Amino acid sequence: QKEVEQNSGPLSVPEGAIASLNCTYSDRVSQSFFWYRQYSGKSPELIMSIYSNGDKEDGRFTAQLNKASQYVSLLIRDSQPSDSATYLCAVISNRDDKIIFGKGTRLHILP
Amino acid sequence: EAGVVQSPRYKIIEKKQPVAFWCNPISGHNTLYWYLQNLGQGPELLIRYENEEAVDDSQLPKDRFSAERLKGVDSTLKIQPAELGDSAVYLCASSLAGGGNEQFFGPGTRLTVL
Repeated sequence: QKEVEQNSGPLSVPEGAIASLNCTYSDRVSQSFFWYRQYSGKSPELIMSIYSNGDKEDGRFTAQLNKASQYVSLLIRDSQPSDSATYLCAVISNRDDKIIFGKGTRLHILP
Repeated sequence: EAGVVQSPRYKIIEKKQPVAFWCNPISGHNTLYWYLQNLGQGPELLIRYENEEAVDDSQLPKDRFSAERLKGVDSTLKIQPAELGDSAVYLCASSLAGGGNEQFFGPGTRLTVL
């Protein structure tokens, strides 16, 4: 059974600080990794994708992938109250192209 | 560029009634997905289409759920008859052809079964 694990939170971070969100996955042959942001009552919004080991930066967001340790993380620098949302990690297996979502981590940025 | 369009946005029905959801993907996106999302959970895939072909429907409860994507563009997801446990948000997403690509979600349909 392939799994994607995330801490459900809530993760509380002061405004202006770095928020660090983590995700582990069980299927070693996973190929594609995504972070989605979901505001309450809204649908998921893609914010980052990463396919190879290392860091990928986009504005205030940095995705980090470590395939050997089977984890992917998302760093949000200079956190803003508007970053308060649930962050979903999604992983696609190279075995069958199936996408598995984690349950999400609730992030709360404290003004 | 228009995003994924879904309708209706909200639907309230009584149990045992039928219900249908409609999705129009992003132009040029050959892959279309239907997901179910319960409160506090991540989206769960119901079915994936590549053009008009359902390439993964292993998690679609076929006794009551059906889907179609005629002409490889718009898609309809149907539940007949609906049960109380079907209350959830039904999300449609689309991506460029093939697995592994970025998926973009529509606004979803919130279904309440009474």
